[in-house]
Amino acid sequence: DAKTTQPPSMDCAEGRAANLPCNHSTISGNEYVYWYRQIHSQGPQYIIHGLKNNETNEMASLIITEDRKSSTLILPHATLRDTAVYYCIVRVAAGGSYIPTFGRGTSLIVHP
Amino acid sequence: ETGVTQTPRHLVMGMTNKKSLKCEQHLGHNAMYWYKQSAKKPLELMFVYNFKEQTENNSVPSRFSPECPNSSHLFLHLHTLQPEDSALYLCASRGDDETQYFGPGTRLLVL
Repeated sequence: DAKTTQPPSMDCAEGRAANLPCNHSTISGNEYVYWYRQIHSQGPQYIIHGLKNNETNEMASLIITEDRKSSTLILPHATLRDTAVYYCIVRVAAGGSYIPTFGRGTSLIVHP
Repeated sequence: ETGVTQTPRHLVMGMTNKKSLKCEQHLGHNAMYWYKQSAKKPLELMFVYNFKEQTENNSVPSRFSPECPNSSHLFLHLHTLQPEDSALYLCASRGDDETQYFGPGTRLLVL
């Protein structure tokens, strides 16, 4: 699975959009981009994933560049409860041996 | 609620004790994982089970012994642990779309 690079920390004002970037320049054509987040002392929570097209669900939007070498997770209206560590992972979506690797992620702090 | 439960949520044990962590998933998944997360460190993969068979052991010391009696249950048996084994132990299951669902974790303190 391709390696990802994320900024160690970011902050955002409550009510504003939080845009979390992720670089995955070695991504393969069949690798998906997954995002998870971990609120302090809890288990990680799945947010969203995508292959090529932009995706949106009730939690967030995922924007993947045309060359697929980077992506951005967007929390459209951040709340204090969105303060967490956000992990970007790339991997094959089906088949193969899956050894997931969670790096250090981005620590997002949403302030009032 | 993710459909993955872990018990106990907190555990304090001495270095000579034997204890077990339990994970149960109600999602019909066939793959389950144990992770360790020490303070301010990334998640470390410990074990992976697919269809009850262990497929990965990430060089975990033998004082940690996993057991997977069926696809819904996963145990981590602990014996003669060290203080540095104090951590948050997380269980996860994996669905057909490769999305992982994590339990709330067991906070372990070894004295």
